Amino acid sequence: DTAVSQTPKYLVTQMGNDKSIKCEQNLGHDTMYWYKQDSKKFLKIMFSYNNKELIINETVPNRFSPKSPDKAHLNLHINSLELGDSAVYFCASSPYPGNGMNTEAFFGQGTRLTVV
Amino acid sequence: TQLLEQSPQFLSIQEGENLTVYCNSSSVFSSLQWYRQEPGEGPVLPVTVVTGGEVKKLKRLTFQFGDARKDSSLHITAAQTGDTGLYLCAGTRSGAGSYQLTFGKGTKLSVIP
Repeated sequence: DTAVSQTPKYLVTQMGNDKSIKCEQNLGHDTMYWYKQDSKKFLKIMFSYNNKELIINETVPNRFSPKSPDKAHLNLHINSLELGDSAVYFCASSPYPGNGMNTEAFFGQGTRLTVV
Repeated sequence: TQLLEQSPQFLSIQEGENLTVYCNSSSVFSSLQWYRQEPGEGPVLPVTVVTGGEVKKLKRLTFQFGDARKDSSLHITAAQTGDTGLYLCAGTRSGAGSYQLTFGKGTKLSVIP
């Protein structure tokens, strides 16, 4: 069983369209994330959710809207897609560390989004 | 501002050689983690370094986290072609109800047979 699974793996779409990427984790983790990896391989956090609540929202255009129906799912909806949105988007999950404990993140395989 | 600077950005070595990659920061982190990413895959964690001054070994990989909790290094002994990949360091911060994992830009390692 895949621990963190994202769909679709590849997404090619035209500018101006609206698209969604789904993410599910079966690890029982409390915290889920969306990261964007650009063409230079830089991984930048976009959002972090803990138990369905938004914890971190980095400087991301409001065309990007995450939705967490339950703590095992964190979907990413993107409105009015732009050329600059082309990148690989990674979903990840981790146990919530609490009390300063440190923990590792488990990543999905990524969704390669190409906007044409 | 890039909080974590990795060096070198690219590294190409012969199989059997040793190498060290570095991850430096002006900020203090709770821990430093090292991930390896292969093409078309998500990052995978080899080991987590949690304490300042700690050294952890995982087979041919040695991870070190400095006393000041700002700098880390990854040393690979007798590199193999299977070590090829993008190595990403990530610093963790927690507190005030939030937890954040911040990545460096990575070192792309190529091990040539």
